[in-house]
Amino acid sequence: DAKTTQPNSMESNEEEPVHLPCNHSTISGTDYIHWYRQLPSQGPEYVIHGLTSNVNNRMASLAIAEDRKSSTLILHRATLRDAAVYYCILRDVVNYGGSQGNLIFGKGTKLSVKP
Amino acid sequence: DAGITQSPRYKITETGRQVTLMCHQTWSHSYMFWYRQDLGHGLRLIYYSAAADITDKGEVPDGYVVSRSKTENFPLTLESATRSQTSVYFCASSVRTGSNQPQHFGDGTRLSIL
Repeated sequence: DAKTTQPNSMESNEEEPVHLPCNHSTISGTDYIHWYRQLPSQGPEYVIHGLTSNVNNRMASLAIAEDRKSSTLILHRATLRDAAVYYCILRDVVNYGGSQGNLIFGKGTKLSVKP
Repeated sequence: DAGITQSPRYKITETGRQVTLMCHQTWSHSYMFWYRQDLGHGLRLIYYSAAADITDKGEVPDGYVVSRSKTENFPLTLESATRSQTSVYFCASSVRTGSNQPQHFGDGTRLSIL
């Protein structure tokens, strides 16, 4: 899987939008962009994924740059419950390796939400 | 909807003992996974299973044994625990493999080996 780069930490105020960036300059044409988050003392939780077009679901939106070398996870109104570590992960459509479905987690971005 | 459950949530044991971590999912997902999470390493895949009676090694399988006699259960056994296996262990499942298939994780087992 190609490498991603995320800021170590970010802060947000409650009820304000949050934009979490991810750089993936070596992304290949067959890589999906996935986002997971991990709340304290819990397992990772799937948030959203996309290939080329922007994606929306009940949890968040994913904005993908036209050249696909970066993406942004958007939380429209941060709540205290959104405080977590957010992971941006690339997964190849075809060559996801001998360990089928292996997710390669980096260090992610630790999001703090202030009341 | 119980989803995926791990037991125990916390376990303390001694070096050399055998310990089994349990994972149960109610979705009838084909694929199941075991990860460990350590400071400085993130999550690393230990073993995975594509279906009942089909298992394969991940990135860090040494010292671990898995089995999958039923689709819903995927226990992880440390046959002779070592201190380096102190970690938080997460089980996950997905409907099938594929780069656009999300994995669903349990809440983890925090294992300490003295």
